[in-house]
Amino acid sequence: DARVTQTPRHKVTEMGQEVTMRCQPILGHNTVFWYRQTMMQGLELLAYFRNRAPLDDSGMPKDRFSAEMPDATLATLKIQPSEPRDSAVYFCASGSGITYGYTFGSGTRLTVV
Amino acid sequence: AQTVTQSQPEMSVQEAETVTLSCTYDTSESDYYLFWYKQPPSRQMILVIRQEAYKQQNATENRFSVNFQKAAKSFSLKISDSQLGDAAMYFCAYRRPSYNNNDMRFGAGTRLTVKP
Repeated sequence: DARVTQTPRHKVTEMGQEVTMRCQPILGHNTVFWYRQTMMQGLELLAYFRNRAPLDDSGMPKDRFSAEMPDATLATLKIQPSEPRDSAVYFCASGSGITYGYTFGSGTRLTVV
Repeated sequence: AQTVTQSQPEMSVQEAETVTLSCTYDTSESDYYLFWYKQPPSRQMILVIRQEAYKQQNATENRFSVNFQKAAKSFSLKISDSQLGDAAMYFCAYRRPSYNNNDMRFGAGTRLTVKP
């Protein structure tokens, strides 16, 4: 089964530290999404890319978050500096075409203390 | 903006029984896609079923089926012969068909408990 791979699965860090989360989309998928899941806000879209170009990052706090796709096999989400309110599960999802659902990774649970 | 509403934060069902999870959405589009995702305790998001708005026939996947009412903007999920493994959070999602603007919007989720 093809899968979206996210690393790390868990991350605990201190406030102010830089955090980088990585995602390997399914080979051949040209659209990559970053979602954040919290109890209060549910699943929120942070950013997404098509063919490695950013299409929408309006859901992302620009002052501390950045998302990139250095190549077709890697998407990164970086938080610098991290804050306790960033604690959440961050999901990467990938897809192709416009008629199907997306495949999600297992998520990165981030805890900022 | 499109919104997806799941009015049932929690539901429970007896094993082998049938349960229906509700979802409504708001959109001005005539063409779109609707999905149900399952999130078990492992937190993996698993696609359960999808429905194209232009299709009148309700989608079915084994024990999972939907009741799609386009005029009412309603998209409920029916789980038949519930199994213990069906216990999870279920999310309803909406997606536009636009090539350049088709991110998926999710409801708040319904936590389903299956009682043995």
